[in-house]
Amino acid sequence: DSGVTQTPKHLITATGQRVTLRCSPRSGDLSVYWYQQSLDQGLQFLIQYYNGEERAKGNILERFSAQQFPDLHSELNLSSLELGDSALYFCASSRHRDEAFFGQGTRLTVV
Amino acid sequence: GQNIDQPTEMTATEGAIVQINCTYQTSGFNGLFWYQQHAGEAPTFLSYNVLDGLEEKGRFSSFLSRSKGYSYLLLKELQMKDSASYLCAVRDVGNNRKLIWGLGTSLAVNP
Repeated sequence: DSGVTQTPKHLITATGQRVTLRCSPRSGDLSVYWYQQSLDQGLQFLIQYYNGEERAKGNILERFSAQQFPDLHSELNLSSLELGDSALYFCASSRHRDEAFFGQGTRLTVV
Repeated sequence: GQNIDQPTEMTATEGAIVQINCTYQTSGFNGLFWYQQHAGEAPTFLSYNVLDGLEEKGRFSSFLSRSKGYSYLLLKELQMKDSASYLCAVRDVGNNRKLIWGLGTSLAVNP
């Protein structure tokens, strides 16, 4: 158990809908990262937050947004969902300069 | 540009030794990570190199040459449970020190 908790584990939704994925980082970790992993793409970095502020942005679509709350948990919002958004979404957390610890992921299926 | 290259697939025999290579080109360098990922599961941290040389951790070792932009992960006494994808990731100095990920090497260990 990495100490990073993601909910829900599985999500099935229709095209055009909006979903929210939630992540609780390890105790004491200030950085939260969101990744998307689809079968043919590998891990794609989406966005990083550090202590409530956006720190770095990767290949995140405009339809996607995220935030980190004062208690350091984070949410990833995916809207106007398309079939191609079906993927595993991972959250990871880390302390300064340390390795990232990953949650078990949310498997999103858009039908 | 930024690029990380790893072989897509490798096959080895139980009990043998396998070396998985990773070459990288990034605008800056502040450490290289190796992660193991079983299908459908979260990546788990294996090793971290920031200085040149070999880091040994049980059956797994990782080597880094910064001048060559090259690393390898060495797995000894292979076990069936080592069948997984192995991901190489480089921490960039710029880009707010985010991790740049390779696509992973899928290792199959045969009896």
